[in-house]
Amino acid sequence: SQQGEEDPQALSIQEGENATMNCSYKTSINNLQWYRQNSGRGLVHLILIRSNEREKHSGRLRVTLDTSKKSSSLLITASRAADTASYFCATRGSSNTGKLIFGQGTTLQVKP
Amino acid sequence: DTAVSQTPKYLVTQMGNDKSIKCEQNLGHDTMYWYKQDSKKFLKIMFSYNNKELIINETVPNRFSPKSPDKAHLNLHINSLELGDSAVYFCASSLGAGGRETQYFGPGTRLLVL
Repeated sequence: SQQGEEDPQALSIQEGENATMNCSYKTSINNLQWYRQNSGRGLVHLILIRSNEREKHSGRLRVTLDTSKKSSSLLITASRAADTASYFCATRGSSNTGKLIFGQGTTLQVKP
Repeated sequence: DTAVSQTPKYLVTQMGNDKSIKCEQNLGHDTMYWYKQDSKKFLKIMFSYNNKELIINETVPNRFSPKSPDKAHLNLHINSLELGDSAVYFCASSLGAGGRETQYFGPGTRLLVL
């Protein structure tokens, strides 16, 4: 069964605004990762947050994780047109394989 | 100097045909994956190999057969193609198979079955 669900499914903002995407999951996790997919391209890893971490930053990205609510959020600050893409969360369960379960993604459009 | 490459990029074929997609990574990784992304952007793992050994085998029709001749290559052969096989297939690789590692994705192979 699909693990992650993302919200909203689509988001349209103006350049310079912040974009927040949310991800919820169902079972316990070892870590949660966020990936970006530009149109017609493969996925690119953005950031990984471990289950014992609550917040992580990378440049203009801020990720939070609330394991009690089984949810994570990705905040992109001061968005740019180049941030236009689909964003996916992926969770790794407690098994020892590299199996990642992806959410359905949030499609972000940043208007110049 | 592409990290994870796939061939072909596009594949249009008739129902019932057999086709193969190839994947190569030059990152020195020991684990490779095949994912399927449907028209609604659902991305689902199909197979994973670690050091040429199959470690993840999701519920996938046995018309799909992965083959890993060495750690740098993972190919996907599909027999008797069906309309529902139309999707984008992504190969990925990582160093280690524990799921703590970043996965690097190829550009995808867009398969259309007519």
